Amino acid sequence: GQQLNQSPQSMFIQEGEDVSMNCTSSSIFNTWLWYKQDPGEGPVLLIALYKAGELTSNGRLTAQFGITRKDSFLNISASIPSDVGIYFCAGLPQPGGGADGLTFGKGTHLIIQP
Amino acid sequence: GAVVSQHPSRVICKSGTSVKIECRSLDFQATTMFWYRQFPKQSLMLMATSNEGSKATYEQGVEKDKFLINHASLTLSTLTVTSAHPEDSSFYICSARKGIVNEQFFGPGTRLTVL
Repeated sequence: GQQLNQSPQSMFIQEGEDVSMNCTSSSIFNTWLWYKQDPGEGPVLLIALYKAGELTSNGRLTAQFGITRKDSFLNISASIPSDVGIYFCAGLPQPGGGADGLTFGKGTHLIIQP
Repeated sequence: GAVVSQHPSRVICKSGTSVKIECRSLDFQATTMFWYRQFPKQSLMLMATSNEGSKATYEQGVEKDKFLINHASLTLSTLTVTSAHPEDSSFYICSARKGIVNEQFFGPGTRLTVL
């Protein structure tokens, strides 16, 4: 099936730094979701985006739904050790709806050095 | 809340046996549940969509006779891996759609190891 292009694949940063990652697609999506997955666990929903141009925050996390509907980014400000993990973007392509399964990016592995 | 559980969390079985994995939405009703598979260091890949009271919809390349899905109620979907082989070893994760929005909430996953 279709996959999203997520970058970077991995990030090594210092504690306190800001983080930015993004996902792009060649086709239009009508929903973008950002998840965090810790080793051996299921993904946890961080932010959901439904409208083109929408900018949503969840604590230190901010995500935006691109105007073209083909991309989204996630920013993490002032990173802390517990931010370590793998971040996945996921989307529902258009047309389609909630009854469809998600298409996932390949993930961004965030590593934080104290 | 939106809590999804899976059971078992880990299972080790012999080649040729069948394994059943349960997915439950604990505090909401889910008309649609989804099953994903994740190999080490890879992303999640959708296997099938499970609809309460109807047959599951499988993604291309996923054998419906090997991965049996039953969505018997609005809070329970089961995935049975029949005649398991070592190449079926993977991390199986379910998700449930809550309400009419497009958000999906994931279970903690089941680590299947086939010897």
